[in-house]
Amino acid sequence: GAVVSQHPSRVICKSGTSVKIECRSLDFQATTMFWYRQFPKQSLMLMATSNEGSKATYEQGVEKDKFLINHASLTLSTLTVTSAHPEDSSFYICSARERTVTEAFFGQGTRLTVV
Amino acid sequence: GNSVTQMEGPVTLSEEAFLTINCTYTATGYPSLFWYVQYPGEGLQLLLKATKADDKGSNKGFEATYRKETTSFHLEKGSVQVSDSAVYFCALSDSQAGTALIFGKGTTLSVSS
Repeated sequence: GAVVSQHPSRVICKSGTSVKIECRSLDFQATTMFWYRQFPKQSLMLMATSNEGSKATYEQGVEKDKFLINHASLTLSTLTVTSAHPEDSSFYICSARERTVTEAFFGQGTRLTVV
Repeated sequence: GNSVTQMEGPVTLSEEAFLTINCTYTATGYPSLFWYVQYPGEGLQLLLKATKADDKGSNKGFEATYRKETTSFHLEKGSVQVSDSAVYFCALSDSQAGTALIFGKGTTLSVSS
């Protein structure tokens, strides 16, 4: 299957700093990318959907100024957590879909810890 | 709107036992259905899929059949292994390109030797 690479896999940052997470589709063009947040022992919560070259569409309750999403190319999307706080600590997962394919492919996830 | 309901876990089995994880869905139109698996600390991996009614998806000994009459996509495996311990997510995708998959809440499977 298609490969989605997410980096970094783990990051620890101090409160108030910003963290950038990258998501790359390695062998296909990801016309749409999705960012999820997952709390321990819970399902995935969709944060936002981004189409290449367009502004991201955020789900209700997700602060767009705090979680900046950029999808500048068909193979790269980034999520920047700005002014991170301990409550932002979580597992973040990206996903990508190609226009003509029904399934989505997932990155390995990023464990963010804000101290 | 579209939704997915899967049985709550955790499911605890002994090695070589038979596994069933129930999944039902609500959708308009003709969605595609998926099972994803998540191992601890990792992202989701596509396990199997079915794109139309009566299709059977299969992979690594796991199977699921797309039943439109019962709106179900139950996951089965005849003989589980310890290495199958993971969280399993049922999901659906509608026909619109660019929309996110809709996931069930996940079922944790724990297999002991």
